[in-house]
Amino acid sequence: DTGVSQNPRHKITKRGQNVTFRCDPISEHNRLYWYRQTLGQGPEFLTYFQNEAQLEKSRLLSDRFSAERPKGSFSTLEIQRTEQGDSAMYLCASSLVQGAAEQYFGPGTRLTVT
Amino acid sequence: AQKVTQAQTEISVVEKEDVTLDCVYETRDTTYYLFWYKQPPSGELVFLIRRNSFDEQNEISGRYSWNFQKSTSSFNFTITASQVVDSAVYFCALSFIQGGSEKLVFGKGTKLTVNP
Repeated sequence: DTGVSQNPRHKITKRGQNVTFRCDPISEHNRLYWYRQTLGQGPEFLTYFQNEAQLEKSRLLSDRFSAERPKGSFSTLEIQRTEQGDSAMYLCASSLVQGAAEQYFGPGTRLTVT
Repeated sequence: AQKVTQAQTEISVVEKEDVTLDCVYETRDTTYYLFWYKQPPSGELVFLIRRNSFDEQNEISGRYSWNFQKSTSSFNFTITASQVVDSAVYFCALSFIQGGSEKLVFGKGTKLTVNP
């Protein structure tokens, strides 16, 4: 049983560039979450998918952010026109559909915007 | 509003000491879940425990134990006979159902350093 995987693990980009991250959840998990974690803080919820449907987006997710889960399997998170404030660790988690089941996290993608 | 407070920012102990990490939560929901996660230096969050709001029994797993008290809205975590490998940031989190999702609200974490 493989865990949640995320690619790339690290991304350095210049301000104004677009970046895309990928998350592959645990295969039988149909719920997928994206969180953002900045230094010294706990993860903050960004968005959530159940299968291919995006059911909720946080107010933290500005118009420059978009997430997809086209076939209910892997998911991508794209940030357009990156800003220095976007520098953070982006975490993906997955879980089963069964009443607040525990979420299993991937290793994260660390984004640095210069 | 849902909120989790971990008042201890950093704790440093010597190996074999017992240590308790505090967690206080706020919610208006009657049904909710509480979690603890460990984030070692490698960065990946590791699930430790889930507890639902109707089950106030304390739980013990090896050197780990959890004390859930609804009367004080607390869900504290104790490590007995700490080891260097316990060094990590520990997060308490609250899950509630809103809009169909069950997102986690995390505290800011407590950084535990266990010195040899």
